Order: sequence, then structure tokens, then C-alpha cells
Amino acid sequence: GENVEQHPSTLSVQEGDSAVIKCTYSDSASNYFPWYKQELGKRPQLIIDIRSNVGEKKDQRIAVTLNKTAKHFSLHITETQPEDSAVYFCARPSGGSYIPTFGRGTSLIVHP
Amino acid sequence: GAVVSQHPSRVICKSGTSVKIECRSLDFQATTMFWYRQFPKQSLMLMATSNEGSKATYEQGVEKDKFLINHASLTLSTLTVTSAHPEDSSFYICSARDLGVGNSPLHFGNGTRLTVT
Repeated sequence: GENVEQHPSTLSVQEGDSAVIKCTYSDSASNYFPWYKQELGKRPQLIIDIRSNVGEKKDQRIAVTLNKTAKHFSLHITETQPEDSAVYFCARPSGGSYIPTFGRGTSLIVHP
Repeated sequence: GAVVSQHPSRVICKSGTSVKIECRSLDFQATTMFWYRQFPKQSLMLMATSNEGSKATYEQGVEKDKFLINHASLTLSTLTVTSAHPEDSSFYICSARDLGVGNSPLHFGNGTRLTVT
């Protein structure tokens, strides 16, 4: 079936730096692109999403950009803080019949 | 917002016994729910899609006779791990979408930590 490729698998940054995580997909019918954050031992929680009719969406320090031509979408976290440390997942975008599968995850570590 | 309730949050059982995990959508109807398994430091792996009133659809490599899924109502799906073995120890999470909201995100239960001794 359709997959989503997520990179990098781990990302280590200093507090205050920016972090970028990227996912690529192949289903051209995709129209909904979510990002989830999972803290250790907890459930994933939606942190931001974007629909295909826009190229970028921001929510304070978090933003998502979408390039439909290249079929990739990215999560951007600016001014990172230690509490941003978690595993972040993109999900296979929705379009038509949506079977939600996840990228392999990115373990973000923000060093104080 | 939409809430998904999952119980129990943690269970320890002996090898050979069965364990039932419940997943409820509290304020919306979910004709479809999804069951995931997550091993330490790994991604969420879709096990099966639970369909209200019909048989579940299992992902390749998931034994349907071992992981029994029942979705008898629009708000409740259950996963039963039958004859559990230590290798079944994992974090099981259910999720659902509010289909009344177009292109809505997944809402997750809190997960169930299963330990088989």
C-alpha cells in the first residue's frame, strides 16, 4: 500500500535552535497532512495539520509546509525548548479511502 | 473536542490467558476505528481496521484468530488478545475519526500497556 517516508529518525538540537522534520508521500490524491507528537508512554496528539489548498500553516512556534508538486510536507519548530523533546510522527495523508499509517517517527531531543 | 476512551490503561496477565481492551468514542460516532501496536522506540503499526457491524480488516502478518476485534456499536470497539504470550507484550492504542467532520484528524485512546508474564 501507500507509504510515507519520514526523515530524520533522530534529531538532536540545542535549546533555541530550529528543528525540521520532513515526510514524503506518493498518493497524489492526498489532501490532508497531519503531524502528531508522542511523549514517552503517552498517546500521540495532533499538534498541527494542513490541507492541500494552502502551502503553509503556523501556530506559534510550530509550522507545517506543503509542497504538493514534490509530494512532501515538513514540520518546523522554532525556538525549541526542552519540553519539545518527544517523538514526532507524520501520517499518511488522507485522500479517498484513508487508512491512517504513520511514518517511522523522529525522536527530537532538545538539550538545555 | 472528540474524545476516545480506552481501558484498561495497564494490564499484566499470565501466558495463555486472554485480555480484552475496550475503545469508546465518547462524543461522536465512529463507524471505523483503528487498532495499533507500538513496540519500544518504534512507530505505531496498524494492526486492523475495525468496522461497525462487519468483520475487521487485518493488516498483513496480523493473526485474526489471535487478535479478535468486535465493533458492535457506533461507539465501541474491543480488541481481545487470545492466548497471550510474552511476545505480545506491547503498547496497544486505538483511534477513531469523527466522520461527521470532513478530513478530520485521528483521535487516540490513552493506550493499553500489556505485559504478559
